[in-house]
Amino acid sequence: GENVEQHPSTLSVQEGDSAVIKCTYSDSASNYFPWYKQELGKRPQLIIDIRSNVGEKKDQRIAVTLNKTAKHFSLHITETQPEDSAVYFCAASGGGGADGLTFGKGTHLIIQP
Amino acid sequence: GAVVSQHPSRVICKSGTSVKIECRSLDFQATTMFWYRQFPKQSLMLMATSNEGSKATYEQGVEKDKFLINHASLTLSTLTVTSAHPEDSSFYICSVELPGETQYFGPGTRLLVL
Repeated sequence: GENVEQHPSTLSVQEGDSAVIKCTYSDSASNYFPWYKQELGKRPQLIIDIRSNVGEKKDQRIAVTLNKTAKHFSLHITETQPEDSAVYFCAASGGGGADGLTFGKGTHLIIQP
Repeated sequence: GAVVSQHPSRVICKSGTSVKIECRSLDFQATTMFWYRQFPKQSLMLMATSNEGSKATYEQGVEKDKFLINHASLTLSTLTVTSAHPEDSSFYICSVELPGETQYFGPGTRLLVL
């Protein structure tokens, strides 16, 4: 089955700086890679996703890059703000309509004021 | 996106009892729903895929006789934790996947088994 590795487990950055979280996956058949933000005690919320036919996607301060050959994808957050503090999870799936998500272990992002 | 609800949001039960958790897709008819479990400070782990009108598909290591899943309609899937024990205490979250889109998660159910 799929295995997703995520690094780092904790990331502390100064407000206004950029944050980068990296994930690797094992199953070359995976073709859908979402990123979720989860605040304490709440449900995961999708912040951005990418499919395997695209190398990069951007939405305002958030961007995701995908390298299919190396089987890794990254989340980039620019101009970080205190409200960006949360746990971020990457995930992968076959995207075939009935595939559950395999999640990374999560990154606790701390924005220092 | 899809609107997904769960009930109850929180439940405390005694060891040995069974607990039923409901997951509803409020604005989308879902032939497939997913059930995840999240232990404190850990990631989400897929437990099973719930299929409307047929048996659920369980992930390796998840006991199908302990975690009973019923998907009797296109808007409702239930997860019953049978003979719950303290180690079953966790955050249980369901999700619905819209075709061509992503998965939308319910608000989760926090189970505490005493």
